[in-house]
Amino acid sequence: QVQLQESGPGLVKPSETLSLTCTVSSYSISSGYYWGWIRQPPGKGLEWIGSIYRSGSTYYNSSLKSRVTMSVDTSKNQFSLKLSSVTATDTAVYYCARESGYCSSTSCYMVAFDIWGQGTMVTVSP
Amino acid sequence: QSALTQPASVSGSPGQPITISCTGTSSDVGSYNLVSWYQQHPGKAPQLMIYEGSKRPSGVSDRFSGSKSGNTASLTISGLQAEDEADYYCCSYAGRSTLVFGGGTKLTVL
Repeated sequence: QVQLQESGPGLVKPSETLSLTCTVSSYSISSGYYWGWIRQPPGKGLEWIGSIYRSGSTYYNSSLKSRVTMSVDTSKNQFSLKLSSVTATDTAVYYCARESGYCSSTSCYMVAFDIWGQGTMVTVSP
Repeated sequence: QSALTQPASVSGSPGQPITISCTGTSSDVGSYNLVSWYQQHPGKAPQLMIYEGSKRPSGVSDRFSGSKSGNTASLTISGLQAEDEADYYCCSYAGRSTLVFGGGTKLTVL
């Protein structure tokens, strides 16, 4: 079955860039779907970070947009997240997920995250 | 994008029904039939329970159902079971290719 696995450093220093990769197995990213990142600070709720389509089109949370970059590597069947200038408030479990959606001529509509990775804890600390 | 509003906690006895509300605005919940619900057990990744307001993915019990009225979406669990004890999150399309989550609701089975 389709599986997603996050990878990357578990500890990042303040002001540096957080970099995570999500590897997808048993499904080709090139075949479709959106691919998203969601985070969850310890003891708190979920926050959508952004989503990317196979074409590389990206959609970001406006509150993080200035610091977020997402990319996709179809040859490796991976997609990635970079979050710059991190602070302690960026400490969270980061999840990658497959996202269903569709586009009209004027807009793209996100439907739901149907498959999630197990999540990876990232701590921002000196 | 303000978070959708959910009650912090709800509880119910085994066999009883419970409903979790998710209140947004006319810019998100009220404008689109694109609300999804997720169940999250401690230390685990969220699991999709409802999408497009009322549709269940394959494998999800029919005890879970979703609905919407105006700017408020609801998740109903009929016949509560011990394994339903978890955190539940709603999520809505919010226009301009963005998403917003609710703050989450802790369900306790008494």
